[in-house]
Amino acid sequence: DAGVIQSPRHEVTEMGQEVTLRCKPISGHNSLFWYRQTMMRGLELLIYFNNNVPIDDSGMPEDRFSAKMPNASFSTLKIQPSEPRDSAVYFCASTNLLSTDTQYFGPGTRLTVL
Amino acid sequence: GQSLEQPSEVTAVEGAIVQINCTYQTSGFYGLSWYQQHDGGAPTFLSYNALDGLEETGRFSSFLSRSDSYGYLLLQELQMKDSASYFCAVRENSGYALNFGKGTSLLVTP
Repeated sequence: DAGVIQSPRHEVTEMGQEVTLRCKPISGHNSLFWYRQTMMRGLELLIYFNNNVPIDDSGMPEDRFSAKMPNASFSTLKIQPSEPRDSAVYFCASTNLLSTDTQYFGPGTRLTVL
Repeated sequence: GQSLEQPSEVTAVEGAIVQINCTYQTSGFYGLSWYQQHDGGAPTFLSYNALDGLEETGRFSSFLSRSDSYGYLLLQELQMKDSASYFCAVRENSGYALNFGKGTSLLVTP
């Protein structure tokens, strides 16, 4: 199994630019999670999907953030416009109904906004 | 609201045993998970406790006391490769989302 795939692995952009992070969950998994990790705030849940439907987006910091899951094998997290305080590592994770106790994390995208 | 408390740093000697505690205050509780994260890496699942008691997986064990809102991760026969951050995480409801603690940085010394 390829595991959760995220792209890009590193992104450097300038303030005000649009950033799109991509995630491919493990095949057969029906729940997908987006997390953000910083030294100050730790690992924060931004949003999660069940069967491609957003269930809880209360962790999305503000309207500049949006997430979509058009099908079971692809999700995007978009930041527009980006700000320096958005600099963090963004993780995508997935799980399925048979192993809901276990979330499988992707390698993460390290975002730097200058 | 919810909060999880765990020590920020722990240091132990190779071959020793170390316990990382986690206390939580949540509106609901379905279970307590533990994840390991090496520097620059992704969190990886270690264990999950839904019921009181001890779960053992090789050198790692995890304990839960629901009445005390407390759990711990026990690492035995420490190895240098165990140097990493360890996170406890609570599943608060029937959904699958987890709320993570701030993590405990474990340093294993020779």
